[in-house]
Formats: sequence, structure tokens, C-alpha cells
Amino acid sequence: AQSVTQLGSHVSVSEGALVLLRCNYSSSVPPYLFWYVQYPNQGLQLLLKYTTGATLVKGINGFEAEFKKSETSFHLTKPSAHMSDAAEYFCAVRFTGANSKLTFGKGITLSVRP
Amino acid sequence: DAGVTQSPTHLIKTRGQHVTLRCSPISGHKSVSWYQQVLGQGPQFIFQYYEKEERGRGNFPDRFSARQFPNYSSELNVNALLLGDSALYLCASSLASGGAYEQYFGPGTRLTVT
Repeated sequence: AQSVTQLGSHVSVSEGALVLLRCNYSSSVPPYLFWYVQYPNQGLQLLLKYTTGATLVKGINGFEAEFKKSETSFHLTKPSAHMSDAAEYFCAVRFTGANSKLTFGKGITLSVRP
Repeated sequence: DAGVTQSPTHLIKTRGQHVTLRCSPISGHKSVSWYQQVLGQGPQFIFQYYEKEERGRGNFPDRFSARQFPNYSSELNVNALLLGDSALYLCASSLASGGAYEQYFGPGTRLTVT
């Protein structure tokens, strides 16, 4: 079955430290991949996406993600965390033939310590 | 340009009642999707409409229905509300259906069923 896995529910880092949020998907055909961020009591904001081409994609707010087909992964990173990065992060996948349907992971809450 | 708008922002209903949620897409966007986000989980796909036709349906009971109007706005209807329907309902719009088209999310409607 096609699925999206975000391991762990909570990640805590110090301000200025590297942020790494993991996402793996299950599909025999590479899908389209997205990362969204959700601040408290708000909707989802697109951080970045991978469709085709370069496997390292850059997004807003200094985030980037790398698509690794062999590992079926699309991990999100940011070299230096900022307090304003504290939020919930969702990996989402559009599988082939799914029209616009996005399949989301369970989400990871990122906390940033001063 | 205005983003995706949803109304109402919050809603409290009693079990067994009916509810209608509304969504206005970004100007020029012809596809609208609905998602249910239960507390602590990622959004779950409910429906997608494109050019007023249903293009996708998630694993939700027939109590859930939707439609899209000629101006591309959309309504989500839920009948015979259950306590488990309490959630944040998100609407997302995109230029067209499927492919690499990005989905832009509204702020959501918080539904509480008592």
C-alpha cells in the first residue's frame, strides 16, 4: 500500500543547530513530494516541493530537502534553527494517478530551545 | 491576491445535526480539495473537485458530501454529525487537477461536535 512515514512525533533542537526531519514513502513509482508547515491555529503553508529534475530542492525560510529514490526518502533540513521555526511539519505525497489527492504523514512537532 | 478563504472559522454543533462548510479558492484556481485534520494527526483527504466535477473521494462515509459551484467555490456538507467528526476541516485550491500543481490551503474551519 502507498504510504508516508514520518518517524517520531517530536524533535527538539537548540537555536542555531541543524534541523533534520525525516520522511519516507512507499511506492514503486516516484511520486511528487511536498513539505508543509503548520503554525498553531493556522492552515498549511508549502515549504518546498519535488516534482522532477534536481533532487535537492530549496524552499522558503532556509529549508531544503533531498529526494533519494534508492532510499524512498525526502528528508527536510535547515542548517541553523531559528526560534520562529517552531511549528508542526508535514511531509505529503501525491502518488501517481491520484489526481490532486495528497497523502500526509502524521507530522512532526519541532521545538527550538534558546 | 487573496488566499483561500473558509467560513465559518469555528463552529459548534450537536450530535445528529447537519453542517455546511464553505471555501473560496484563489482567483483563477479551478480545483478544490477538502481535508479533515483530527488533533495530532496529518490531514486526511475527503474530496477533490475540478471544473465542478468530483475527481476523487477519500475513505469517508456517505454522510460527507461536497459540491463545487460555477465560480469554483465549494461546500462540504456533513450529515448526522458524530463526536468523531470534531476536527479542523481544511480546503485547498490549485490551478488544475493532479500533476505538479501546488495546493494552497486555507486557514480551516474548526468543527466541534458535542
